[in-house]
Amino acid sequence: EDQVTQSPEALRLQEGESSSLNCSYTVSGLRGLFWYRQDPGKGPEFLFTLYSAGEEKEKERLKATLTKKESFLHITAPKPEDSATYLCAANTGNQFYFGTGTSLTVIP
Amino acid sequence: DGGITQSPKYLFRKEGQNVTLSCEQNLNHDAMYWYRQDPGQGLRLIYYSQIVNDFQKGDIAEGYSVSREKKESFPLTVTSAQKNPTAFYLCASSILAGDYEQYFGPGTRLTVT
Repeated sequence: EDQVTQSPEALRLQEGESSSLNCSYTVSGLRGLFWYRQDPGKGPEFLFTLYSAGEEKEKERLKATLTKKESFLHITAPKPEDSATYLCAANTGNQFYFGTGTSLTVIP
Repeated sequence: DGGITQSPKYLFRKEGQNVTLSCEQNLNHDAMYWYRQDPGQGLRLIYYSQIVNDFQKGDIAEGYSVSREKKESFPLTVTSAQKNPTAFYLCASSILAGDYEQYFGPGTRLTVT
């Protein structure tokens, strides 16, 4: 069964405390791995697409990496404004499979 | 500014009534999607459309209907046949169907009592 699992469900960090969010996927024929940020009551905001194992992409304090089984979203020296739910999704060409997200809280 | 708009932001309906959620995009995207988001669950695909006048059922299409008469618009009707309609509904679009990033609207929270 094609599925995406994110861990942890929730993460609390002190401001400046770096960490990583995990997205494990088991899908047939990955065409792309997508990361989104979602603030409460709003639609997801696109962050990154990764297409092949070994690929990395960065944006400000965020860096996404991809292996053949999982993707990581590394957050370096987070700030309170990074608090949000981070969603990942695996695309097989025909469909996106979304994880349930990691809720990140960054405490000042 | 290009983007996706959904209206209204909040919608309240009585059980047994049909309701239509609006989704408009000015990104010139061919593909459009409707998702439903419930607490503790990933986004689930209701319907998608690759081009005008064409649409396909997603994983949870029962109790929903859509139309795609214009490239910019993809309205979703939640019918009285949908057993658990209360949810957060998200519309998205992508330049083409397939492995292209999807851009989401702000969402409509529907409450049915």
